[in-house]
Amino acid sequence: NAGVTQTPKFQVLKTGQSMTLQCAQDMNHEYMSWYRQDPGMGLRLIHYSVGAGITDQGEVPNGYNVSRSTTEDFPLRLLSAAPSQTSVYFCASSGGTGELFFGEGSRLTVL
Amino acid sequence: GDSVTQMEGPVTLSEEACLTINCTYTATGYPSLFWYVQYPGEGLQLLLKATKADDKGSNKGFEATYRKETTSFHLEKGSVQVSDSAVYFCALFHSGGYNKLIFGAGTRLAVHP
Repeated sequence: NAGVTQTPKFQVLKTGQSMTLQCAQDMNHEYMSWYRQDPGMGLRLIHYSVGAGITDQGEVPNGYNVSRSTTEDFPLRLLSAAPSQTSVYFCASSGGTGELFFGEGSRLTVL
Repeated sequence: GDSVTQMEGPVTLSEEACLTINCTYTATGYPSLFWYVQYPGEGLQLLLKATKADDKGSNKGFEATYRKETTSFHLEKGSVQVSDSAVYFCALFHSGGYNKLIFGAGTRLAVHP
């Protein structure tokens, strides 16, 4: 009963490095999204997808890329990490009712 | 645009005290309203929801009533436990979007024995 699985749970990067946060869901949900959580700011939507091959930008997309080649996977790529991207990242999926299922989060620190 | 406003925390209570966390929203039409909870070190999980005016959502002793006249969805519990310590997020879902939730900033609750 995996639900939404995110990896890695923790990552430290240097400014300018690149990395990919992985997200996979096994509920056959069409909708998937990435949020970042920063103190006092709640959750902010980075990118989302309404199905394989379809992605769109959320509130804070700059510095991040996504792709959706399969229903199950929705990776988030940081091409050139910046200290402002230090945050906790959550992947979520939904079957269309408004209820999101979240992964456990990935804590990223950019030095 | 749509928005959600929650009372600022942290909220600190003794065990068995009553809890109210205020949430108000701004939206056109008739959104669905949610409360999510985030326990330490975990992702968010749905606590309760209400899909239309005057609906009451309830779960684990928590409840919230969708009040359209006051555009509110306050979270209440009659007797909190130490295990209720978490961050609580109010959220709004407006059909017509892709399935995007608008979250409040979150309210941290700390319950002491």
